[in-house]
Amino acid sequence: DGGITQSPKYLFRKEGQNVTLSCEQNLNHDAMYWYRQDPGQGLRLIYYSQIVNDFQKGDIAEGYSVSREKKESFPLTVTSAQKNPTAFYLCASSIDPGHAGELFFGEGSRLTVL
Amino acid sequence: QKEVEQNSGPLSVPEGAIASLNCTYSDRGSQSFFWYRQYSGKSPELIMSIYSNGDKEDGRFTAQLNKASQYVSLLIRDSQPSDSATYLCAVPDQAGTALIFGKGTTLSVSS
Repeated sequence: DGGITQSPKYLFRKEGQNVTLSCEQNLNHDAMYWYRQDPGQGLRLIYYSQIVNDFQKGDIAEGYSVSREKKESFPLTVTSAQKNPTAFYLCASSIDPGHAGELFFGEGSRLTVL
Repeated sequence: QKEVEQNSGPLSVPEGAIASLNCTYSDRGSQSFFWYRQYSGKSPELIMSIYSNGDKEDGRFTAQLNKASQYVSLLIRDSQPSDSATYLCAVPDQAGTALIFGKGTTLSVSS
């Protein structure tokens, strides 16, 4: 079955540690996105990638980094520079950048900083 | 920066009633609009898109767009308890390469 797989589903981190969230898709989609959601809030864009080896910052990129070495994969690293990393992280894809409104989401990764 | 505004709710309706969810947007040049449904603890899923003025119907869902007034609505007819969720309105950003989401309206349908 085609879809987006995010792992881990739950992650606990100590302050000062970097963590990497995995996102893999087998939909053959060109564009991939990372959003962050805080309780009672909408989704805020962290990074997006339209093609392999290229990505752009979203509205809240500070303290995060990404890579897009393969079409299927778009991992997100939450660095120690991110001041409030506790949140629900959602990876999404669209068939191409022109269909950015039609997103397919993974199940999300919930990060808690202890 | 484009903005999307939604009443956070909660909006409570009895089973079988019509639920009306509203969204306003700041950029008069926006051309496409999307509604996502998000169940508690789950990820969002696309339920409706609308591109031109007027109504678009899909089953029990109707999206209404009024570009002159810069609002888009989602009507849910014959509401069911399974419709209880948060509904997110979204528009593409200036470059059209990513979505900007509102904060969502939480709908509660009581049986």
